[in-house]
Order: sequence, then C-alpha cells, then structure tokens
Amino acid sequence: AQKVTQAQTEISVVEKEDVTLDCVYETRDTTYYLFWYKQPPSGELVFLIRRNSFDEQNEISGRYSWNFQKSTSSFNFTITASQVVDSAVYFCALYSSASKIIFGSGTRLSIRP
Amino acid sequence: DAMVIQNPRYQVTQFGKPVTLSCSQTLNHNVMYWYQQKSSQAPKLLFHYYDKDFNNEADTPDNFQSRRPNTSFCFLDTRSPGLGDAAMYLCATSGGSLAVNPDTQYFGPGTRLTVL
Repeated sequence: AQKVTQAQTEISVVEKEDVTLDCVYETRDTTYYLFWYKQPPSGELVFLIRRNSFDEQNEISGRYSWNFQKSTSSFNFTITASQVVDSAVYFCALYSSASKIIFGSGTRLSIRP
Repeated sequence: DAMVIQNPRYQVTQFGKPVTLSCSQTLNHNVMYWYQQKSSQAPKLLFHYYDKDFNNEADTPDNFQSRRPNTSFCFLDTRSPGLGDAAMYLCATSGGSLAVNPDTQYFGPGTRLTVL
C-alpha cells in the first residue's frame, strides 16, 4: 500500500525559529518520487522539491533543506530562520508506478511575528 | 506570468444547477489534472488527461465530467452539484505521463465552489 503520513497537523513557532516538518511514507516500489508542496492562504499549490528514490543526498535551497532517509522512509523538511511569509500548509507527496501521486494530510505552519 | 490559469476563482451555484469550471495552461504540457480539495484535507485526484486520453479515478462520482478540447484547455463539469461538492477545485499540469514519467505537477490557483 502507498501511504504518506504527516503526523504534525499544526505547528506554530515564533519568527526566526527553525522548524522541521515530518513526512513518513510507505511504498513497496523501489523506484518512487517524493515531493513537497506549499499551499499559502491564496490556495495555489507551489512546488518546492522533487526527489527520486535513488538520490539520498540532502538538499539545501536558501533557508529550506530536505533530509531524505530511506532507512526510516522519511523525507523531512526544515525551514531555518522562519519568516511570517512561510506561514502556509505544507504537503508531502509520493508517486510510484503503482499509483498516482498521493498527498499527505498536510501540516499547517504558522509563524508568529 | 501565470502558467496555469483557473476561472473563475470563486463560483457560486445552486443545488442541482450545472456548473463548469475552466483551466488553461501556457506550458504546453500534455497532462492535465483535476483535483478536489475540501477544507483541511489533502487534494484528491478526480481525473486526468494524457493528451486526449481520459483517465477517471475509480472513486470519482459520476456527477463530475471533464472535457479537453485542445492542449491548452480543460473543463470540469458538475452536472448536478450537491452540498457535498462544495470545495476548492485545483487544476494541474505536467509534462510527462503518469505511468512513465511523473514529472512535476504545476498547479493553478484553484476555484472555490460554493453550493447553495
């Protein structure tokens, strides 16, 4: 079965704090892709990153970083020095050949000034 | 510049009155998707087109249909909207086939449908 779990429903931190959003996935496929999307209050889902199952290198993009660990089936997302503009719902998603893209239930992140 | 455009952004309809939502794209992608997203939930795929090939999800209600007259446009028709159909409807595009290349999906801003 394909599944994406985002156990944190809501997170609230004060601006400039670091915050990590957790994502745990399940799949039997050896080839799969993982995504993170941001959904601000305006509603549009904004693509942040795609990672394939053969590339376990962590990635950093500005204040954003992603930690992919196949051993624990996790693909966690960290925002360093958070800002109010980071407030949004963040979705982790999984694609494999056995299924269409599956989204986690999302984590609502609130950054307080 | 907007790449995936959805019109209107807000749509109000009456119970049982047919309504059509539209999506257009400037990316020349061959795959277009329609998702339904209810409050505080993840997007749920309704169907997608690979070029003109239509793919319906098994659990998509018959009340929903889609048309894709050309590469750029895709429509979502709700034949008889019920109160349970009130949601955000998201259109997305990608360059490759779901079965072969899961290329990144690019989303439009969504249309929020209200059913009175």
